[in-house]
Amino acid sequence: NAGVTQTPKFRVLKTGQSMTLLCAQDMNHEYMYWYRQDPGMGLRLIHYSVGEGTTAKGEVPDGYNVSRLKKQNFLLGLESAAPSQTSVYFCASSLSLRTLKDTQYFGPGTRLTVL
Amino acid sequence: GENVEQHPSTLSVQEGDSAVIKCTYSDSASNYFPWYKQELGKGPQLIIDIRSNVGEKKDQRIAVTLNKTAKHFSLHITETQPEDSAVYFCAAPDYSNSNSGYALNFGKGTSLLVTP
Repeated sequence: NAGVTQTPKFRVLKTGQSMTLLCAQDMNHEYMYWYRQDPGMGLRLIHYSVGEGTTAKGEVPDGYNVSRLKKQNFLLGLESAAPSQTSVYFCASSLSLRTLKDTQYFGPGTRLTVL
Repeated sequence: GENVEQHPSTLSVQEGDSAVIKCTYSDSASNYFPWYKQELGKGPQLIIDIRSNVGEKKDQRIAVTLNKTAKHFSLHITETQPEDSAVYFCAAPDYSNSNSGYALNFGKGTSLLVTP
């Protein structure tokens, strides 16, 4: 049981390049989330998904797209990277937030630098 | 949406002393308050949580208290040890939008340093 995994762990992009971050969970969780973490800003929600085939915007969605084609995977895409997207990205999953089993489990993070 | 304020942003204590981190929230409908610990280079991990039907919860050296009237909750760590050094985040659910009712809003974090 690996929990939540993220690939890649590190990435350096040039402005304008695109990339996809992959999140996978093996806990059969319905809900998945993408956060970014910047110094002094805490964790800010980018997008989230409440089930396979559904996604919704979080607090800071601009410049990102997501897809949840399979229940266990949640992809975060940057179509045209900008230096402002330099950050550490965390994926999380939870069974739900409407039951007692609503702990969010986080992956180890992806450190992205956009030059 | 839910606004979560966390204080202090940094906290330094000596080994064996207690540490207290406080958070306030704005939405009176919030009913679930988790605390996460993030060690350097790792993702946040849940350490304790509390629901609105109780005022206090303990787990060994850590405890969380909740005051729903005042809309604040606190993390208490007793007999601190160097391995408690980390960044701690509080959070509360965001029910302001039915579409985002499943997300957590996090405080900005408290960097705790426990010196031997």
